[in-house]
Amino acid sequence: QKEVEQNSGPLSVPEGAIASLNCTYSDRGSQSFFWYRQYSGKSPELIMSIYSNGDKEDGRFTAQLNKASQYVSLLIRDSQPSDSATYLCARGNSGGYQKVTFGTGTKLQVIP
Amino acid sequence: DAGVTQSPTHLIKTRGQQVTLRCSPKSGHDTVSWYQQALGQGPQFIFQYYEEEERQRGNFPDRFSGHQFPNYSSELNVNALLLGDSALYLCASSRGTAVVWGSGYTFGSGTRLTVV
Repeated sequence: QKEVEQNSGPLSVPEGAIASLNCTYSDRGSQSFFWYRQYSGKSPELIMSIYSNGDKEDGRFTAQLNKASQYVSLLIRDSQPSDSATYLCARGNSGGYQKVTFGTGTKLQVIP
Repeated sequence: DAGVTQSPTHLIKTRGQQVTLRCSPKSGHDTVSWYQQALGQGPQFIFQYYEEEERQRGNFPDRFSGHQFPNYSSELNVNALLLGDSALYLCASSRGTAVVWGSGYTFGSGTRLTVV
């Protein structure tokens, strides 16, 4: 079982719709979770971090965490063509030294 | 405030050769992590350097080695290059526990390595 699993997509949504990106993880001890956005040919950039069960909102982005189900999601409201990118779900390791483990990413396409 | 700087941006090498990639972390950051990202895949953790020592390592062979200098900059060396080493190599800098509990990584723009 992969440490962080995502559907590779592509996920296509019309402009203005809500895009829903999902992720599951295997290590129950994980306590921190991240969503990174990566445009084609560019490096990842952090858009959301979440540590507690529930929702965390930042502008058009909402991250959701359910530790019991080992599930993380990212909602993008009012999707724009500029949101078209690969979204990487990641978790922080639960102990010891700090590192981040990434999923394979979900490619999002927002259709004008 | 300079971000993370990686060099070179692109590199073409022949199988069996050796390569050195360089990274200067963001100002104020003391930890450097290296990742390999193959096309269509997520970044894979290679290793992490702090206080000039490798403090953890991913599932990569000994052909991959690194170094961190007193100014926190870092190098990634790959010996005996294989075709499968072709990838985007990302340097990520951070400060202490901020990787997990704070602002997370700041990534450089990466080095695109092609092995032919």
